[in-house]
Amino acid sequence: DAGVIQSPRHEVTEMGQEVTLRCKPISGHNSLFWYRQTMMRGLELLIYFNNNVPIDDSGMPEDRFSAKMPNASFSTLKIQPSEPRDSAVYFCASSLGGYNSPLHFGNGTRLTVT
Amino acid sequence: DQQVKQNSPSLSVQEGRISILNCDYTNSMFDYFLWYKKYPAEGPTFLISISSIKDKNEDGRFTVFLNKSAKHLSLHIVPSQPGDSAVYFCAATGNNAGNMLTFGGGTRLMVKP
Repeated sequence: DAGVIQSPRHEVTEMGQEVTLRCKPISGHNSLFWYRQTMMRGLELLIYFNNNVPIDDSGMPEDRFSAKMPNASFSTLKIQPSEPRDSAVYFCASSLGGYNSPLHFGNGTRLTVT
Repeated sequence: DQQVKQNSPSLSVQEGRISILNCDYTNSMFDYFLWYKKYPAEGPTFLISISSIKDKNEDGRFTVFLNKSAKHLSLHIVPSQPGDSAVYFCAATGNNAGNMLTFGGGTRLMVKP
């Protein structure tokens, strides 16, 4: 099993540009999560999907952020337009579901918005 | 409002000695707790967990203790090894939280040879 795969590993973009982060969860996992890690706020949950359906997006900072999961093997997190304060490491994680199923994280995308 | 807190941002321990990482929580609805370990440029990896029906769970060199009345848990690593040097995150969830974890801010452990 290749684990959770995220792309790109690094993204540098200019303020105002659109950014799309991608995630392939572990096959068979039916829950997918997007987290953001910053020095100030630590690891914060942005959005959570179960069986491809968004369950809780209360962590999405604002309308500039959107996430989709068109099928069980792919999800995207889009920021449009991007701002310097969006600079962070974005992690995708998946699990089998159930509140005591450990999350399996990808290696993250480091986003820098200049 | 931080529901899960790790008050020590860093900890330095000599190889072979015990490492104790602490975590406090405020939400009494949390009933399942996990520890994750994170190396630089990698995602967090699951280490060990404990349900609120237990007060201790052990897995090799790693033991997690839960004190529900104090809303406190700790991770003990003994003996500590240089490869244990990483950032450790405490996380919590409960039935009313669905499948969502709330993470602490992390503690950076440095094990010196």
